[in-house]
Amino acid sequence: AQKVTQAQTEISVVEKEDVTLDCVYETRDTTYYLFWYKQPPSGELVFLIRRNSFDEQNEISGRYSWNFQKSTSSFNFTITASQVVDSAVYFCALRVRAAGNKLTFGGGTRVLVKP
Amino acid sequence: DVKVTQSSRYLVKRTGEKVFLECVQDMDHENMFWYRQDPGLGLRLIYFSYDVKMKEKGDIPEGYSVSREKKERFSLILESASTNQTSMYLCASSRPQKPYEQYFGPGTRLTVT
Repeated sequence: AQKVTQAQTEISVVEKEDVTLDCVYETRDTTYYLFWYKQPPSGELVFLIRRNSFDEQNEISGRYSWNFQKSTSSFNFTITASQVVDSAVYFCALRVRAAGNKLTFGGGTRVLVKP
Repeated sequence: DVKVTQSSRYLVKRTGEKVFLECVQDMDHENMFWYRQDPGLGLRLIYFSYDVKMKEKGDIPEGYSVSREKKERFSLILESASTNQTSMYLCASSRPQKPYEQYFGPGTRLTVT
């Protein structure tokens, strides 16, 4: 069975601070995909990034960066120079090839960025 | 602009009532999903459908059923609502070529009293 753990339930920062969201996953499958989604106050989850198990290259997209480490089964997400608009709930998710279209989500981390 | 809409943002029902939650997508996606979101538990998959009239159970299907008569519409049915079904319900859709890139609706917050 698959499992995704986001140990931080809530993080509060002041604008312009960096914030890192932890994600640890468990699976026995060797082929899998990891995702991050953002859920702003409006409710709709927004897809941010996908990583497959064979690609450990870190990625940067503007103020967002992701650190994938298979050795520690982690896929952490960093927001640099946070802004108030970054306030949201962020979910890490896992899909294993054997499970088809199913995603296993972590419990989510609420990020509050104060001005 | 891609769009997934859900029939209600907020819904209050009584225990034992039959409840219908509707989801419509305008992206011609084959895959559609129903999740429930609870604090600390993240999103859990209830049912999904990969084609009209096709459905598969997710991780927590008990107490729910679904209907997909048309490609764009996926309904979640609570046959006899119970208080433990009070939750946020999220619908999503995706293409078969990119099943991971799911597009979500705004959610329906259901309260069963």
